[in-house]
Amino acid sequence: DTEVTQTPKHLVMGMTNKKSLKCEQHMGHRAMYWYKQKAKKPPELMFVYSYEKLSINESVPSRFSPECPNSSLLNLHLHALQPEDSALYLCASSLAPTSPNMGYEQYFGPGTRLTVT
Amino acid sequence: GQQLNQSPQSMFIQEGEDVSMNCTSSSIFNTWLWYKQDPGEGPVLLIALYKAGELTSNGRLTAQFGITRKDSFLNISASIPSDVGIYFCAGPNNYGQNFVFGPGTRLSVLP
Repeated sequence: DTEVTQTPKHLVMGMTNKKSLKCEQHMGHRAMYWYKQKAKKPPELMFVYSYEKLSINESVPSRFSPECPNSSLLNLHLHALQPEDSALYLCASSLAPTSPNMGYEQYFGPGTRLTVT
Repeated sequence: GQQLNQSPQSMFIQEGEDVSMNCTSSSIFNTWLWYKQDPGEGPVLLIALYKAGELTSNGRLTAQFGITRKDSFLNISASIPSDVGIYFCAGPNNYGQNFVFGPGTRLSVLP
């Protein structure tokens, strides 16, 4: 089973709203990732959690706040977003971020299509 | 930082034709991964390559890890309509955690 689930599938929010994106995997992976993808562009890494600890923050604005409650769950809390934050937000997981070979294979969820109005 | 380039950017082929695309980097990669993404969906892992010179197949897909470790190739044989999508190459940077994606090759299959 290589399934990563994400909820919601679609989200429309105003610039003053607070919302959260959720991601879940039950593959025993210890690394989880958030990516942002704009139309016709490749995914861009936002955050990496390794063994439930934030290990990489790619200079993401503080209006995006990640959280990893346990090894299976990853949240992305959104607050005071801008229209340019509208994008497909992808969650991914891998065995471990630095294990050789299979540790690098990232499995992606279907994404949350976010629209900020 | 490390960047990946992919060519061609897009291609239109007839159903049944074979397809070849490649990914290059100015620096060495120790792992190459190929993903396919359908519109509005997340990327799906197709093939992972871990050794220079390695040739790996997955059904009609074959990928190779270049000898120089600065390139990789993906071939699709006997294309079918469901092959339509964007194909990304990707790999970990020197530190292993930051995943780098190429810009993608958009494939269209004409019936």
